[in-house]
Amino acid sequence: QQQVKQSPQSLIVQKGGIPIINCAYENTAFDYFPWYQQFPGKGPALLIAIRPDVSEKKEGRFTISFNKSAKQFSLHIMDSQPGDSATYFCAASKATSGSRLTFGEGTQLTVNP
Amino acid sequence: DAGVIQSPRHEVTEMGQEVTLRCKPISGHDYLFWYRQTMMRGLELLIYFNNNVPIDDSGMPEDRFSAKMPNASFSTLKIQPSEPRDSAVYFCASSFYSGQGFRSGELFFGEGSRLTVL
Repeated sequence: QQQVKQSPQSLIVQKGGIPIINCAYENTAFDYFPWYQQFPGKGPALLIAIRPDVSEKKEGRFTISFNKSAKQFSLHIMDSQPGDSATYFCAASKATSGSRLTFGEGTQLTVNP
Repeated sequence: DAGVIQSPRHEVTEMGQEVTLRCKPISGHDYLFWYRQTMMRGLELLIYFNNNVPIDDSGMPEDRFSAKMPNASFSTLKIQPSEPRDSAVYFCASSFYSGQGFRSGELFFGEGSRLTVL
């Protein structure tokens, strides 16, 4: 009930490509879905987040698409750059539980020049 | 603000030794989390505190692990005795939950403490 499943485990794209990372959750009580970005040797940092009252959220080149009925959400990176190479984690939580996030397994993204 | 500060950044110890990891959260944050990251298990929540009180320690692997938060600006995670399978990167994170906006509850992570138990 508390799991968040993320795929793929790793992803390699060329510069300018549009990598897509997918996540699925089970707990219908989740109402907050952030994505975190982690560079080697650093802690994860919040990239973008969405609540289930909208189906899409954009911040710069990053877009979250949310499908409440399917209990799935995904991250799209437009015009990807080598500097986007990092590990991306999706997560989910219930707002009433504060910040107790359940993280996906992570996707290691490599953007080749 | 300096962000979440963790120490030590790297620790190499021998099996059976006591390990203490330290964390200073961001001032004003009322939640503090300890996570463990490994290749096999990803990011695991070990324990979290709200206003210095432990709320959920169900992720603590076993009795060898303990965590304290004696005041709003300091927390420790202790492993005694340590074992090779405890080798991981341990992250501390803090947040302030306001209930407003998508950044509500944003976790601010430290840079982690990389523990190697030989």
